[in-house]
Amino acid sequence: DVKVTQSSRYLVKRTGEKVFLECVQDMDHENMFWYRQDPGLGLRLIYFSYDVKMKEKGDIPEGYSVSREKKERFSLILESASTNQTSMYLCASIGSNQPQHFGDGTRLSIL
Amino acid sequence: AQKVTQAQTEISVVEKEDVTLDCVYETRDTTYYLFWYKQPPSGELVFLIRRNSFDEQNEISGRYSWNFQKSTSSFNFTITASQVVDSAVYFCALSEAASSASKIIFGSGTRLSIRP
Repeated sequence: DVKVTQSSRYLVKRTGEKVFLECVQDMDHENMFWYRQDPGLGLRLIYFSYDVKMKEKGDIPEGYSVSREKKERFSLILESASTNQTSMYLCASIGSNQPQHFGDGTRLSIL
Repeated sequence: AQKVTQAQTEISVVEKEDVTLDCVYETRDTTYYLFWYKQPPSGELVFLIRRNSFDEQNEISGRYSWNFQKSTSSFNFTITASQVVDSAVYFCALSEAASSASKIIFGSGTRLSIRP
């Protein structure tokens, strides 16, 4: 079974802090994704990566950056957290001809 | 523009009733994938089905069935004899390109509540 692991289920940070959300997958997948989920808006794509050191902007990249130094790890970075970034963050990975597999999500609160 | 619409925000039915979740999509691509995911209260997204745009056959898996109609750009999901454990948020989604290994566009979700 594919395992996508997000480092924290719940996280509380303060405005202006630099926040790192980590995601690790164990199936050697090339494609990894970060989404945020908000009520009534579904899942919106922030960034995705097709390979190590490659990244592409999704639909809502503003205020975020990503890092993919190793194939199994895809990090989402909030450079200076703001209250409107309070949300559920979901990481996903996908192999060829397979559906996306999601992590359990990180519920991030910015105070 | 690619878009997925789930017009039903919330549905509540009594256990053992049948329920259909609607999904309408828009895309200019001739080849695409459609998905349904379930998100139970615990929060994880569970993959239910993926359908290639060339395959319009309906699919049944136990109490779940999916009706794909390209003519109306719809991919509806029916749960027969619903159970309390079916309570969750259900997302319909569209993958823009021929490969399912591309970004996926999600609908806003339908919250399904099954009352005992």
